Amino acid sequence: DTGVSQNPRHKITKRGQNVTFRCDPISEHNRLYWYRQTLGQGPEFLTYFQNEAQLEKSRLLSDRFSAERPKGSFSTLEIQRTEQGDSAMYLCASSPRTDNTEAFFGQGTRLTVV
Amino acid sequence: AQTVTQSQPEMSVQEAETVTLSCTYDTSENNYYLFWYKQPPSRQMILVIRQEAYKQQNATENRFSVNFQKAAKSFSLKISDSQLGDTAMYFCAFMKITQGGSEKLVFGKGTKLTVNP
Repeated sequence: DTGVSQNPRHKITKRGQNVTFRCDPISEHNRLYWYRQTLGQGPEFLTYFQNEAQLEKSRLLSDRFSAERPKGSFSTLEIQRTEQGDSAMYLCASSPRTDNTEAFFGQGTRLTVV
Repeated sequence: AQTVTQSQPEMSVQEAETVTLSCTYDTSENNYYLFWYKQPPSRQMILVIRQEAYKQQNATENRFSVNFQKAAKSFSLKISDSQLGDTAMYFCAFMKITQGGSEKLVFGKGTKLTVNP
């Protein structure tokens, strides 16, 4: 088990373009979380899944953001019509069924919108 | 809504000495966990230590211990015998527990700790 994997690690995109990030959680972890971290701040919650069901979405998640976890394994986070304010580190975390309080984080995807 | 406040943006300590990082939180919940996470430069966040709110005994993990003051809503982290590898951002975090299980983490803004040789 190699831990939570996020791809790509870095993404530079032009304003107005769509981007998609992928997160592969630790095998058999049933919960998967997305957070956003801007410079000098702590991570902010975006959304989370239990298996394939999206249980909560933050008000931070505008209509331009969508997340999926179609088979309860990997997840994708898509941002449509990117804006400069979307520039941030996007973190994925997963937690096991046996202990949902312990979150394991990936290394994140750093998005830069130019 | 829960809030977590870390009032020390940056701290430094000499190798082998002890340092304490502060954290306060605000909640009306009774069932929750508190965490300290470490985020080294360009590496992923890892859990350092956690505390269940209903446990009075302070959690310890090797050189790391907490001082949990529930009434004061304070949750400080003490690092003993500081090592160069402890240099990182440290985030205090809160997690509400409901009948459905755990929920999201709410983080403070972090404290940048530098351990000097």
